[in-house]
Amino acid sequence: EAGVAQSPRYKIIEKRQSVAFWCNPISGHATLYWYQQILGQGPKLLIQFQNNGVVDDSQLPKDRFSAERLKGVDSTLKIQPAKLEDSAVYLCASSHFGAGTGGSYEQYFGPGTRLTVT
Amino acid sequence: GESVGLHLPTLSVQEGDNSIINCAYSNSASDYFIWYKQESGKGPQFIIDIRSNMDKRQGQRVTVLLNKTVKHLSLQIAATQPGDSAVYFCAETNYGQNFVFGPGTRLSVLP
Repeated sequence: EAGVAQSPRYKIIEKRQSVAFWCNPISGHATLYWYQQILGQGPKLLIQFQNNGVVDDSQLPKDRFSAERLKGVDSTLKIQPAKLEDSAVYLCASSHFGAGTGGSYEQYFGPGTRLTVT
Repeated sequence: GESVGLHLPTLSVQEGDNSIINCAYSNSASDYFIWYKQESGKGPQFIIDIRSNMDKRQGQRVTVLLNKTVKHLSLQIAATQPGDSAVYFCAETNYGQNFVFGPGTRLSVLP
């Protein structure tokens, strides 16, 4: 099966500009995640969708970050305006089962988008 | 590709030896734990998982041990190979929500 697709792979922007990332999960996967991974750290969950509803967005900086998952498939993550500290790799992942189902929560990750804010 | 984890703790092992990577988790309510492997320039890749009602689970060349009393996970890799060189993360979740990843450990396999 095809893996999780993300684009772009790399993006360089100046602070205060806006940027958007796109993710296409594995077909049939109910749950989609966006993570931020700062160099030298583990991934930090930003938002978790189940189908097209939000399960967890407690760590999403909502004053500048937004995300949507239209029709329960593709998703976009936007940052506006960007700050220097947003420089990181943004990872998208998907899993077959949703939260609370008791199934495996194995997540399949895409290659990530490396964002550099100058 | 980009290097992941420039300042991570590093475990160096000789090829063919066994590796043990440790992880302390934070939430006593977590009921599911996963180990991931991340190579440079790639997203994390699932290795093995374990539920909180188990204390040990084995896969191919890997074993995960869970000690809920001290909130500790370990990943054992048997007969470590050069292809095992990567950064390893543990992750915890509470019923499929509140996913939290650990800080990671770099495994370096020496020839």
